Amino acid sequence: AQSVTQPDIHITVSEGASLELRCNYSYGATPYLFWYVQSPGQGLQLLLKYFSGDTLVQGIKGFEAEFKRSQSSFNLRKPSVHWSDAAEYFCAVGAGRGSTLGRLYFGRGTQLTVWP
Amino acid sequence: EAGVAQSPRYKIIEKRQSVAFWCNPISGHATLYWYQQILGQGPKLLIQFQNNGVVDDSQLPKDRFSAERLKGVDSTLKIQPAKLEDSAVYLCASSLDGASRGRGNTIYFGEGSWLTVV
Repeated sequence: AQSVTQPDIHITVSEGASLELRCNYSYGATPYLFWYVQSPGQGLQLLLKYFSGDTLVQGIKGFEAEFKRSQSSFNLRKPSVHWSDAAEYFCAVGAGRGSTLGRLYFGRGTQLTVWP
Repeated sequence: EAGVAQSPRYKIIEKRQSVAFWCNPISGHATLYWYQQILGQGPKLLIQFQNNGVVDDSQLPKDRFSAERLKGVDSTLKIQPAKLEDSAVYLCASSLDGASRGRGNTIYFGEGSWLTVV
C-alpha cells in the first residue's frame, strides 16, 4: 500500500537559515512525488513535483527537492528561509493504477515556524 | 487562468443537519477530486471523478456522504446527516487527465470549504 511519512511534525528555524524537510514514501513502482504548501486558511499550493528524469527538482519560491530511490526519500530544501515561508508543508505520492492514477496520498504535514 | 473555485468557504452547522459544498474545476480539466482534511492531518481522498463518472469512492462514507458531477464540469459534495467528526476542510481539486502518466497528472487545489459541526 502507498504511504508517506513526514517524521517532523514541527520545525523551527531562524530567518536566513537553511531548511530541510524530510519525506519518506512507500510505493512499489516508480512514484510521482509532490510537495505542497498550505498557509493558514488557504488551500494547497504546489511547490514542485517529480515525475521522471533529473532527480533534483527545482520549484517555486526557491525550493528544491531531491528524489533518492535507494532511500525512498524526497526531501525538500531551501538554502535561506524567509519569514513568509512559515506554513504547513505536505509531501504526497501519486499512485494508483489505470483511471485512479492521479490520486495522491499525503503525509501528515510539517509545520514550519520561522523566527525573525 | 482561473483556479479551482469552491463555495461556501465557511459553514457551521449542528450535528444531524445537512450541508452541501460546490466546486468548479479549472476549465478543461477532466478529473475532479474531493479531499477531506481533518485538523492536524494530511488530506485524504474521498472521491475521484473522470468526467462525470466515479472512478474511486472507496473512502467515501456512503451512509452520509454523496457527491455528483452530472455534466462533467462542476460538482457538489453533500453530507447528511452530519456528525461531529465531519468537522474538517473539504478540498476540491482538479487535473487535466488523472488517467495519464505524466504532467497531465498535476493536481490543483481550491482554497477549501471549512466545516464545523457543533
